[in-house]
Amino acid sequence: DAKTTQPPSMDCAEGRAANLPCNHSTISGNEYVYWYRQIHSQGPQYIIHGLKNNETNEMASLIITEDRKSSTLILPHATLRDTAVYYCIVRVTGNQFYFGTGTSLTVIP
Amino acid sequence: GAVVSQHPSRVICKSGTSVKIECRSLDFQATTMFWYRQFPKKSLMLMATSNEGSKATYEQGVEKDKFLINHASLTLSTLTVTSAHPEDSSFYICSAREVGTGTYNEQFFGPGTRLTVL
Repeated sequence: DAKTTQPPSMDCAEGRAANLPCNHSTISGNEYVYWYRQIHSQGPQYIIHGLKNNETNEMASLIITEDRKSSTLILPHATLRDTAVYYCIVRVTGNQFYFGTGTSLTVIP
Repeated sequence: GAVVSQHPSRVICKSGTSVKIECRSLDFQATTMFWYRQFPKKSLMLMATSNEGSKATYEQGVEKDKFLINHASLTLSTLTVTSAHPEDSSFYICSAREVGTGTYNEQFFGPGTRLTVL
């Protein structure tokens, strides 16, 4: 079962930062938080993952709260090509990913 | 990043026939591959975990005799939808996890296969 809760949809102005929240209040101490996105009719694309510390890569930043019960994915300068469904996933043992409902992000020109 | 391919990308078949979908890791070896199904405007649903050289592990509610999975090598897993019916029409996606990676490494997803059963 999905262990994450995300808002169903969000809008963001092009060029502005997109902040996508995720609640994972039942996360265990050794479970990682992963973010993927899916553009229509394509396979999911890996964005970033983290355990405790904040992480940053060329695509995004991941902010994890100190109690690890929630996190925020930040796209610093959203473009139209960032329009997609964003999934926050808590990786359970056995490496299976159980996808939640995700957030549909629309970047507006 | 690592590349996973799927073949075919689209398939249309008649009700009652069987369809095979291939999932290949192109530039890495994968001991574990995963199969997902996605209905329109819905999230991905994990169907099964495919381990090289052993039987697949199916999620609750997924019929193992209907969705046959074979993971014969470290770079290839196949999903066969047997006696397909219109309700099996869906977007099927595979993913792969690289051999020897730590517990924190991501899965690489294929581009998906659109199955339409008439």
